[in-house]
Amino acid sequence: KQEVTQIPAALSVPEGENLVLNCSFTDSAIYNLQWFRQDPGKGLTSLLLIQSSQREQTSGRLNASLDKSSGRSTLYIAASQPGDSATYLCAVRRNRDDKIIFGKGTRLHILP
Amino acid sequence: DTAVSQTPKYLVTQMGNDKSIKCEQNLGHDTMYWYKQDSKKFLKIMFSYNNKELIINETVPNRFSPKSPDKAHLNLHINSLELGDSAVYFCASSRWDFQANYGYTFGSGTRLTVV
Repeated sequence: KQEVTQIPAALSVPEGENLVLNCSFTDSAIYNLQWFRQDPGKGLTSLLLIQSSQREQTSGRLNASLDKSSGRSTLYIAASQPGDSATYLCAVRRNRDDKIIFGKGTRLHILP
Repeated sequence: DTAVSQTPKYLVTQMGNDKSIKCEQNLGHDTMYWYKQDSKKFLKIMFSYNNKELIINETVPNRFSPKSPDKAHLNLHINSLELGDSAVYFCASSRWDFQANYGYTFGSGTRLTVV
């Protein structure tokens, strides 16, 4: 059974710092991994999608890496801004199945 | 244009009532989903439909019945609402692909409060 864990559950950092959010999954047989952002009371916005054959994806100040063999992904945020404050969710698409399994998220607070 | 739209955004209703939540996507995707986010913010899948056919049906009470009139719509009907049904319900869509090369697009959610 696939389980997705995100550590830490919450993180506060001063504006301008670089930071890393972690995601681990128990079954390495995945098709892809997706990082989402959720703002309070809002829906989910897709940030990055990494295929199982890829090692990383970049979008602006965001970089996501994937190490399937160790069951880990990281989301790197460069030069953090107050607008980056949100909950970041990692989701893994299971092998031979259509659904994605979510972690419980990391609540990020960027201090101005 | 909103890619995945859900209505209503907020729904407050009494226990025992029957209610529906609608979802529409204009992305040309052929697979749609319902996810439930509980009070602890954990997201879990409830149903998925591919080309109007039920693909995934997790352990969800029979009071929840999805209906897909066409590929662009997936509605969720809930009978005899209970207090524990209070949550945020998210609709999502993606393209069906055995290579699973496509990500999900989520709607903005429907906050259901049962009183």
